[in-house]
Amino acid sequence: SQTIHQWPATLVQPVGSPLSLECTVEGTSNPNLYWYRQAAGRGLQLLFYSVGIGQISSEVPQNLSASRPQDRQFILSSKKLLLSDSGFYLCAQGGLAGPGELFFGEGSRLTVL
Amino acid sequence: QQQVKQSPQSLIVQKGGIPIINCAYENTAFDYFPWYQQFPGKGPALLIAIRPDVSEKKEGRFTISFNKSAKQFSLHIMDSQPGDSATYFCAASSSDYKLSFGAGTTVTVRA
Repeated sequence: SQTIHQWPATLVQPVGSPLSLECTVEGTSNPNLYWYRQAAGRGLQLLFYSVGIGQISSEVPQNLSASRPQDRQFILSSKKLLLSDSGFYLCAQGGLAGPGELFFGEGSRLTVL
Repeated sequence: QQQVKQSPQSLIVQKGGIPIINCAYENTAFDYFPWYQQFPGKGPALLIAIRPDVSEKKEGRFTISFNKSAKQFSLHIMDSQPGDSATYFCAASSSDYKLSFGAGTTVTVRA
């Protein structure tokens, strides 16, 4: 079974400050990993996905970046946060059924003031 | 550009009613159509999924209907309960490791 740990669960950051959200997964090796963002009352926007260590694909041009330093670790970062970066950030792991089967973590809620 | 269009944005039903959520897509390369359920403050969880070679799939009180020619699919929640109150997302994927989500439907089931 897949277990996904995200931290911190909640954070409030000032505009212009840096960001680091961490995600670690348990279970199968070399999983496909994803970062999604969900704005308040909105759908899920794919930000980044990774099929292996050091392999990152970006879906939306923005001031966010992602890294995968280890097989089961996925990090979302920013050097300078914007107000529009506020949202609910979800890390997900691909399942055995293929690209459509995702297991999500509990999310990190970011508020930028 | 949203590849999967979902409606309605929200709906309210009485306990025992059948909320129906509709989704439409354009990309014929999509070959897997999952539905996710999300409770407030939690991550979405896979609820049920269908492939285009099947017109209907049931799991418990949840049913997916799929119309390949119309490129539409829908979720029915039979005998809905207050515990079914959540946001539901339809989605579609092909072989490129990416999942396209609909905008979500907030379902409220009143006791």
